[in-house]
Amino acid sequence: DAKTTQPPSMDCAEGRAANLPCNHSTISGNEYVYWYRQIHSQGPQYIIHGLKNNETNEMASLIITEDRKSSTLILPHATLRDTAVYYCIASISNFGNEKLTFGTGTRLTIIP
Amino acid sequence: EPEVTQTPSHQVTQMGQEVILRCVPISNHLYFYWYRQILGQKVEFLVSFYNNEISEKSEIFDDQFSVERPDGSNFTLKIRSTKLEDSAMYFCASRTEQGSQKLFFGSGTQLSVL
Repeated sequence: DAKTTQPPSMDCAEGRAANLPCNHSTISGNEYVYWYRQIHSQGPQYIIHGLKNNETNEMASLIITEDRKSSTLILPHATLRDTAVYYCIASISNFGNEKLTFGTGTRLTIIP
Repeated sequence: EPEVTQTPSHQVTQMGQEVILRCVPISNHLYFYWYRQILGQKVEFLVSFYNNEISEKSEIFDDQFSVERPDGSNFTLKIRSTKLEDSAMYFCASRTEQGSQKLFFGSGTQLSVL
């Protein structure tokens, strides 16, 4: 799996959009970008994933650059409950049983 | 929404004792995983399980560890002789169709080895 690089921590004001960057400059053509988050030692929670197109779901949006070397997770209206560690993971998504490898992530703090 | 259930939420044991951590994955899921997280550290992969056998295991998953899906619904992790360094939060996860890494994680079992 390609290595990903994320800032160790970020703050965001409640109600504003939280934009979490991730660099994955060595990502290969068949690797997807996955985002998970972990709220205070709970189990990680899937947020969103994508290959090259931008993706949106009820939780967040994922913007992937055209060269696929970086991406941004956007939480459009951050709430206090979004305070968590956010993990960006590059992983092959094909027929098989590939494991996810978690890094250290970005600790996002939402400030009232 | 369906969820992965883990029991117990906390387990305290003496060094050298056997422990079994239990998980009930989501019912139509095919792939099962155990991860662990030592306090303040990364979430680490232990083992993956598919079609009633181990697919992959990490270096952490040595002979002291075993997994089992005894009855088609439960998925267990056994540690035969616990060590102090086995103290961690253990997460079970499951997923459905091939081609996706959308894992559903349980809320974890906090194992404390004294």
